[in-house]
Parts: sequence; structure tokens; C-alpha cells
Amino acid sequence: SQQGEEDPQALSIQEGENATMNCSYKTSINNLQWYRQNSGRGLVHLILIRSNEREKHSGRLRVTLDTSKKSSSLLITASRAADTASYFCATNVGGFKTIFGAGTRLFVKA
Amino acid sequence: SAVISQKPSRDICQRGTSLTIQCQVDSQVTMMFWYRQQPGQSLTLIATANQGSEATYESGFVIDKFPISRPNLTFSTLTVSNMSPEDSSIYLCSVGKGDGGSEQYFGPGTRLTVT
Repeated sequence: SQQGEEDPQALSIQEGENATMNCSYKTSINNLQWYRQNSGRGLVHLILIRSNEREKHSGRLRVTLDTSKKSSSLLITASRAADTASYFCATNVGGFKTIFGAGTRLFVKA
Repeated sequence: SAVISQKPSRDICQRGTSLTIQCQVDSQVTMMFWYRQQPGQSLTLIATANQGSEATYESGFVIDKFPISRPNLTFSTLTVSNMSPEDSSIYLCSVGKGDGGSEQYFGPGTRLTVT
């Protein structure tokens, strides 16, 4: 089964609201990453958080990591219609191998 | 960051035929990765392609079905052989950032439909 499981599977919010997505994983990790994918195109790397970090920020993005619970969350503040996309967490367990979660489909209504 | 292009961007193929997907990177990279993304699903790693050696395939994927070439440090191909409708997916190549174990850069993907 996949390393990362995300919830919710789908999320619909109004522009300006915050969006929170969660990711749980099963084994020890070196780092956890979040990616965005627009309409079945290639993925874009958003942020990486290492196993010894608890929180990281990048612009309107905030990522937390709780290794004791094997979980992470991605918060997008003040969402925009352009944030509409699928968001994937991905865990690195060593070397280059990265395992992707099922993804959360975010829809931001203008 | 690396810029990755893929050809073709999309194709519609007949059952039983084969399609070769090309992946070109604008810089030299050691490892390239091929993923499959079935409709509405997440990414599944098919194989890791190192220049000068055989590709390493993940469980459930075999070389006869998905042969990979890696002739140099900027280029790779993935062939989907003897296609069936179940092979309809987006195929993505990616490369890892140089420091190992961290972020990946993805190509735009090849959307394959098998009829």
C-alpha cells in the first residue's frame, strides 16, 4: 500500500479561506515533501520538511511535521482561485526514492 | 532547477502497439525516474534509470513491458510495449535535486490513451 495517505480526498472552499490538507505515513522518513499538480500536468515542488524539523513556511504555505504521529499538514492561507489543483505529499525513505500519497483535490471558488 | 521536456505530450494508440516516450533534461543528472499516474490516481514509480547501467524496476513493473534507455546524462526513453487499455495513464519523468533524497523536478507528462 502507499506510504502516504491524505485527507480529505477533496476540498472545496471559497477564495480567501484557508485550506488544510493532512498526510499520514507508515515508516520512518528522511524528509517529507508537498507537491502541486494542475490539471494532470507535471508536478511542482512546493516545500520540503526534514525529519528533524517541526514547522516550515514558504509564502502562504505552512507545513508541519509530527514524526511521533507520522503525520504532516499543509496549510494554504488566503486561498486564491489559482490554488485550485491536486496536492500530494511525498515521503523520502532514503536515497532518491520518493513515495507519493493519494493526493487531495482542492477547488477554490472565486 | 532543472527544466524537463517530454515527447509526445499526448497520444492515442491502438491496442497491441508500442509507444516510446522521450525525456530531455537541460542539465546533466545522474538519476532519472519514470512514474505512471492512472486517471485520478497518485504517482507510482515504474523504474529508476541510471546512465550506463540497467534500470531498476519497482515491484509490478518489468523490463519486457517497460524497457528504458538511458544513453547519456540528459536523456532517457520509456517504451510502453504491447499496450492495452489498462496502460492508459499519464507517464512522467523526473530528476532529483543534486543533494540526494530531496525534491524532484518533473516533466509535463505524456498522456497516453489506448483504444
